[in-house]
Amino acid sequence: NAGVTQTPKFQVLKTGQSMTLQCAQDMNHEYMSWYRQDPGMGLRLIHYSVGAGITDQGEVPNGYNVSRSTTEDFPLRLLSAAPSQTSVYFCASRFQGLNTEAFFGQGTRLTVV
Amino acid sequence: TQLLEQSPQFLSIQEGENLTVYCNSSSVFSSLQWYRQEPGEGPVLLVTVVTGGEVKKLKRLTFQFGDARKDSSLHITAAQPGDTGLYLCAGGSAGNNRKLIWGLGTSLAVNP
Repeated sequence: NAGVTQTPKFQVLKTGQSMTLQCAQDMNHEYMSWYRQDPGMGLRLIHYSVGAGITDQGEVPNGYNVSRSTTEDFPLRLLSAAPSQTSVYFCASRFQGLNTEAFFGQGTRLTVV
Repeated sequence: TQLLEQSPQFLSIQEGENLTVYCNSSSVFSSLQWYRQEPGEGPVLLVTVVTGGEVKKLKRLTFQFGDARKDSSLHITAAQPGDTGLYLCAGGSAGNNRKLIWGLGTSLAVNP
């Protein structure tokens, strides 16, 4: 079982460039989320999805887009990278029920110069 | 807005010492989860507590959920260098589209 697979692990972008962070899970989880983690600010929710075809905004959605065409995949798109988007990004998945365990990918360390 | 306050934010102790990390809120949660994150990795679940007053033990780690289900604590007995990491609490509830509410974390360093 691969769990949650995130790619790439590291990325450097120039301001204004776009890119897609990939996330795939093989546990048939309905719920998938993207977080960014910055020093002193904890995990902040960017976007989430409760199932294929359904996405919603978290607390810091500006500058990011998501789609969920399949249960397995939940890519995060940076439309026009800004230095403020320099962060570590985590994808997580879990079953939709209450009190379920969240499984995280290994993270993507993104630097925007 | 549901918030979870974790304290302390940083903790540096010597091997063999005991410590307690707190996670407090003014909101009621259906569950409280504790995760541990090592550098360069994603958080990994340690435990989920769901009943008010519940106590769970995981080797030298003891987790408690408050009677009113608004707070939780993590106690580590005789800390070891392998316990070093970031400890995160997360609250779950049936409302709010079942989003997890995260504390900011406690960064623990256990020195040999």
